[in-house]
Amino acid sequence: QKEVEQNSGPLSVPEGAIASLNCTYSDRGSQSFFWYRQYSGKSPELIMFIYSNGDKEDGRFTAQLNKASQYVSLLIRDSQPSDSATYLCARTQGAQKLVFGQGTRLTINP
Amino acid sequence: KAGVTQTPRYLIKTRGQQVTLSCSPISGHRSVSWYQQTPGQGLQFLFEYFSETQRNKGNFPGRFSGRQFSNSRSEMNVSTLELGDSALYLCASSQQGWMNTEAFFGQGTRLTVV
Repeated sequence: QKEVEQNSGPLSVPEGAIASLNCTYSDRGSQSFFWYRQYSGKSPELIMFIYSNGDKEDGRFTAQLNKASQYVSLLIRDSQPSDSATYLCARTQGAQKLVFGQGTRLTINP
Repeated sequence: KAGVTQTPRYLIKTRGQQVTLSCSPISGHRSVSWYQQTPGQGLQFLFEYFSETQRNKGNFPGRFSGRQFSNSRSEMNVSTLELGDSALYLCASSQQGWMNTEAFFGQGTRLTVV
């Protein structure tokens, strides 16, 4: 069982719609969860991190964490073509290590 | 505020050679982590340094090593390069680690071993 599981996609969403990206994890001890966006050939860019159950909003992005069900999700509202990228979910393993999923490739269609 | 700086950006090396990569974290950040990214394996953790001490190490052979200096700059070294070491090497910096805090990646060093 992978430590962090993401649907590899591609996930195709029309422009202006809500894109929903999901991630499940196996370690109940994980405390913080991160979402990064990575464009092809570039390094990951931090979108946000979340460590409390519930929702955390930042602009068009909302992260949702449910520790009981061991999943974390990212919603992108009013999706734009510039949101087309690979989205990486990661969880902490202690304070010194981040374990990444394989990423979900998102395509926003104009 | 300057971001995380990695040098060089691109490297081509021959099998058997060694390579040193450098990472300068964001000012005030004391934790530096290194990751290897390949298409097949994704992002794999190499090691993490804080205040010149390696606090955690991933499952990589001893050919991969690193260190951190008193100014928080970090270097990683790969000796006896193999073709499979071709990858994007990323470093990330944060104030104290990954717990409940922002962490930012540098632009990466693209290493090609021929």
